[in-house]
Amino acid sequence: DTGVSQDPRHKITKRGQNVTFRCDPISEHNRLYWYRQTLGQGPEFLTYFQNEAQLEKSRLLSDRFSAERPKGSFSTLEIQRTEQGDSAMYLCASSPDRAYNSPLHFGNGTRLTVT
Amino acid sequence: KNQVEQSPQSLIILEGKNCTLQCNYTVSPFSNLRWYKQDTGRGPVSLTIMTFSENTKSNGRYTATLDADTKQSSLHITASQLSDSASYICVVSHTGTASKLTFGTGTRLQVTL
Repeated sequence: DTGVSQDPRHKITKRGQNVTFRCDPISEHNRLYWYRQTLGQGPEFLTYFQNEAQLEKSRLLSDRFSAERPKGSFSTLEIQRTEQGDSAMYLCASSPDRAYNSPLHFGNGTRLTVT
Repeated sequence: KNQVEQSPQSLIILEGKNCTLQCNYTVSPFSNLRWYKQDTGRGPVSLTIMTFSENTKSNGRYTATLDADTKQSSLHITASQLSDSASYICVVSHTGTASKLTFGTGTRLQVTL
């Protein structure tokens, strides 16, 4: 399968703990995106990378959130000191450089539950 | 404020019937409009992308239309199947970069026997 892969699929954690998610994009895609989606809502943009450079971050990405893409391939999203409001589906997507008319290819997400 | 509104919020139809989902947007400047299908617990999958100059685009039993003057789009599903049960999300891009995508909240479609 050459699609976008996310790990883990589900994560349950206690409030205050740190969690880290991983995303492996489609290998030839230089752009990688993180979104957050809550029940009944569309995805909300968090951040995106072109290769290893983080080019944009949403205001939703508080200082407890950090994302990296160290070698321009896989990416990690870390949430520190989790809060119940962080419970959501975290989606990763990738696209080629010329993204004007290219669709985003989404992974199946990591479902985070903070208890 | 850039917004994408979809209607209806949810819809139930019988297998084999057709249906049309609506999307109105106030995104400006407009770049392109996308429809995605999202199965429960999965990531969205792209169905169509239309630019300003395109009025209609098909992908199998899915046909999307775009009226850039009235800022409206529709997604028509023909001869629905049980596997069409999903959320359908309208997404509008207001620059050439994907980071400027505005997502609708989706229409939840259920196809029943």
